[in-house]
Amino acid sequence: EADIYQTPRYLVIGTGKKITLECSQTMGHDKMYWYQQDPGMELHLIHYSYGVNSTEKGDLSSESTVSRIRTEHFPLTLESARPSHTSQYLCASSESWEAFFGQGTRLTVV
Amino acid sequence: AQSVAQPEDQVNVAEGNPLTVKCTYSVSGNPYLFWYVQYPNRGLQFLLKYITGDNLVKGSYGFEAEFNKSQTSFHLKKPSALVSDSALYFCAVRNYHAGGTSYGKLTFGQGTILTVHP
Repeated sequence: EADIYQTPRYLVIGTGKKITLECSQTMGHDKMYWYQQDPGMELHLIHYSYGVNSTEKGDLSSESTVSRIRTEHFPLTLESARPSHTSQYLCASSESWEAFFGQGTRLTVV
Repeated sequence: AQSVAQPEDQVNVAEGNPLTVKCTYSVSGNPYLFWYVQYPNRGLQFLLKYITGDNLVKGSYGFEAEFNKSQTSFHLKKPSALVSDSALYFCAVRNYHAGGTSYGKLTFGQGTILTVHP
């Protein structure tokens, strides 16, 4: 079982609130990823990081931001949540080969 | 830009029959290829990978996949399906070519729902 953790698992929040989704891994992996998963199922890469102080935008444009100040930590922040941000957010980490995924955060913005 | 296509939104198969879930990819340089499975309200679980070597790779739960470079495909297969195999399956590709902004980026297909009927 991979050691990658996401909190919270579920979040319901009002429009306009600032939120941070946490993702931590204890495997020392250099690469980390955030994916947004549609209710229909498709996964979209929104952010990734090669290592500390390295972040890149993914394939899907997102209003969220990320930071990578420590190897093990890759938080995602929404400054002002909107209903269109309602989705499942999956975090993953990788060293050389396969990625390991957290359980996900299901975000609902009302 | 790298991409992955899973042409079938759904695959239905009877228990005991062989199953195939299709995947094609596009990437510059040599690809790393992966299959993942997702059960409801869970994260993705790694099934198998192709890095180099034999074109037929074996993974967890009796699954295997065949890498075909000329057809840029990496189809997932299992000789005898189980009802418990019913889940959402994702194919993914990573660019092998070091350097450049795409290094390490992991891109997924749109997913295929596999349903195995008793």
